[in-house]
Amino acid sequence: DAKTTQPTSMDCAEGRAANLPCNHSTISGNEYVYWYRQIHSQGPQYIIHGLKNNETNEMASLIITEDRKSSTLILPHATLRDTAVYYCIVRVRGSSNTGKLIFGQGTTLQVKP
Amino acid sequence: DAGVIQSPRHEVTEMGQEVTLRCKPISGHNSLFWYRQTMMRGLELLIYFNNNVPIDDSGMPEDRFSAKMPNASFSTLKIQPSEPRDSAVYFCASSFQVGLAGETQYFGPGTRLLVL
Repeated sequence: DAKTTQPTSMDCAEGRAANLPCNHSTISGNEYVYWYRQIHSQGPQYIIHGLKNNETNEMASLIITEDRKSSTLILPHATLRDTAVYYCIVRVRGSSNTGKLIFGQGTTLQVKP
Repeated sequence: DAGVIQSPRHEVTEMGQEVTLRCKPISGHNSLFWYRQTMMRGLELLIYFNNNVPIDDSGMPEDRFSAKMPNASFSTLKIQPSEPRDSAVYFCASSFQVGLAGETQYFGPGTRLLVL
C-alpha cells in the first residue's frame, strides 16, 4: 500500500471549514483513498473514501487531485466534536490483501471556539 | 445495531498472567480485525479473519499472542504470558466484504490493558 504524508497538527475555528491535506504521490491506479478519524479514547471511525472522483457524504467531502497524488478532506462546518486525529490511508480494494488498513500518525485537528 | 462489542473495557493484570480479550462483531459481518494501539507504535493490525478463517497474522508480535474465531459472532485474543510491554489499547473491528464492495471497517470501543 502507498505511503501517505499528513501534517502533524492543524487548528480550525468552530463553524469554519476544516481542510485536511494528504499526499500520496506513489499511489497506484487501483488504490483507493480512505479517511478515518479517532476521537480521544474511542475507536477509529470511517469517514469517506474515493478512487478518483470527488466524493461527498453526510460527514465530509473528499477532493482528489486529477493526478491522484494528493487529496483533501473537507469538514464543511467544523464543530468542537470534530476534534480528533484524522487518518488518510490508501489501499487496494478487493485484493487478497484487502483487509489491511495501515494507519500512519495522522493529523490532529483541534477545533477551537 | 449495538456495533462491535468488546470486553472487558479495562483490564489490569500482573506480568505472567494470561489475558483474554473478547470481541463480538456486528451481526452479518464476515471479516474481523484485531488492532493494537500504543503511543510509540500507533495503531497496528495484529490479525484478521475472513469467514472465521485467519487470513493474515503477520502483525502478531510473537507466540505469546494467539487469536481465535470459533464462529461468526465471537473472537478472542489471548496473551499468555503477559508482559508489561503488552500494555496498550486493543481494538476489534468488523466489516462486510463482498467482492469490491462493503469494506468499511467498524471499530469497537477498545480494551485498555495494563500489565504491571
